[in-house]
Amino acid sequence: GQQLNQSPQSMFIQEGEDVSMNCTSSSIFNTWLWYKQEPGEGPVLLIALYKAGELTSNGRLTAQFGITRKDSFLNISASIPSDVGIYFCAGLNAGGTSYGKLTFGQGTILTVHP
Amino acid sequence: GAVVSQHPSRVICKSGTSVKIECRSLDFQATTMFWYRQFPKQSLMLMATSNEGSKATYEQGVEKDKFLINHASLTLSTLTVTSAHPEDSSFYICSAEKPGRRTDTQYFGPGTRLTVL
Repeated sequence: GQQLNQSPQSMFIQEGEDVSMNCTSSSIFNTWLWYKQEPGEGPVLLIALYKAGELTSNGRLTAQFGITRKDSFLNISASIPSDVGIYFCAGLNAGGTSYGKLTFGQGTILTVHP
Repeated sequence: GAVVSQHPSRVICKSGTSVKIECRSLDFQATTMFWYRQFPKQSLMLMATSNEGSKATYEQGVEKDKFLINHASLTLSTLTVTSAHPEDSSFYICSAEKPGRRTDTQYFGPGTRLTVL
């Protein structure tokens, strides 16, 4: 089945540093999504990417949909303590028996030291 | 907006009892909702797709008689864990699919922590 490889698995950074994480896939997705999950909560949508090559920002967050449609990255600039959480990439399946289903990456655990 | 609620947020039950979890889309109608299970420090695992007015579609390995899903309206889906056992203890999260101009997007509920004693 489809798999998303997300890296790094975890990051420990100082407040103010920039962060970068990425996802690669063995197959093509038509939509890439980035979510953030805090302990005991459900994932919250951060950025949605709909077109290959698309670069989208949401405040200090920037994400890009790879030109091959098999990868995406998320950057966080000038990190702050409240950025702590688990970040998941997800690809939206657009066809076949998996239509409408999300395939999730393994997650990146982000820790920000003040 | 796209707000999805879940109730209860936490539940503790005895082994052998059944537990019902509700998922509601508060400000939009959702023909399709999804139910996920998440173990500590792991990603979300899709259990089933819930379609309003029809039977749910279960992922391979998920027992449909164990995890009963009912999507009775465009804003409510329920997951009932029947005859719960300690191995059913987990974090259950639902999502609701909101139609969009470019594509449908899943918005997640806050999750339900189930502990079976």
